[in-house]
Amino acid sequence: AQSVTQLGSHVSVSEGALVLLRCNYSSSVPPYLFWYVQYPNQGLQLLLKYTSAATLVKGINGFEAEFKKSETSFHLTKPSAHMSDAAEYFCAVSYRAQKLVFGQGTRLTINP
Amino acid sequence: DADVTQTPRNRITKTGKRIMLECSQTKGHDRMYWYRQDPGLGLRLIYYSFDVKDINKGEISDGYSVSRQAQAKFSLSLESAIPNQTALYFCATSDLVGTYQGRQFFGPGTRLTVL
Repeated sequence: AQSVTQLGSHVSVSEGALVLLRCNYSSSVPPYLFWYVQYPNQGLQLLLKYTSAATLVKGINGFEAEFKKSETSFHLTKPSAHMSDAAEYFCAVSYRAQKLVFGQGTRLTINP
Repeated sequence: DADVTQTPRNRITKTGKRIMLECSQTKGHDRMYWYRQDPGLGLRLIYYSFDVKDINKGEISDGYSVSRQAQAKFSLSLESAIPNQTALYFCATSDLVGTYQGRQFFGPGTRLTVL
């Protein structure tokens, strides 16, 4: 069965600093991987997805994630944090036609 | 217009009342889902439907029921609401991309409070 673990329920960075949100997955077969973002009082929206093509995936708003099979990781990064990046971020995994399995989320706070 | 809509957006009710949350989509997707979100627990799947005749329990289906009235409509019911069902509820849709699960599209959420 697939599962995903997000390390750190809350991450705080300064504006302009590197953002790193960690996600590790468990899957016995090649997965599809997703990062979603939830801004306050809104639903979730897709940031980026990995679907077995390029291992470095670029998403919206300057975010990117790298699929590392050897580490079973799909960490999300952004070189320079902006105040508008404050939100909750969810990693998710799926295999073939099965439903998505979400991590528990990481709340990102940006300090001025 | 939004692709996935939920009604109501906010609801306050009392213990023991029957509540229905509705979800409609214009994406033309066969797959629809109901999740609840609680602080620190992420998204937990309540029920999902891969087509109109296919309904499946998720990880926390106790106390909930669903109805898939059409491809575009998927309703969630709380037969007798209790306070620990106070949460933010999301509807989502998706489709297959080849033989793989595509991205999910989420509605704006329904904030339910059970007193």
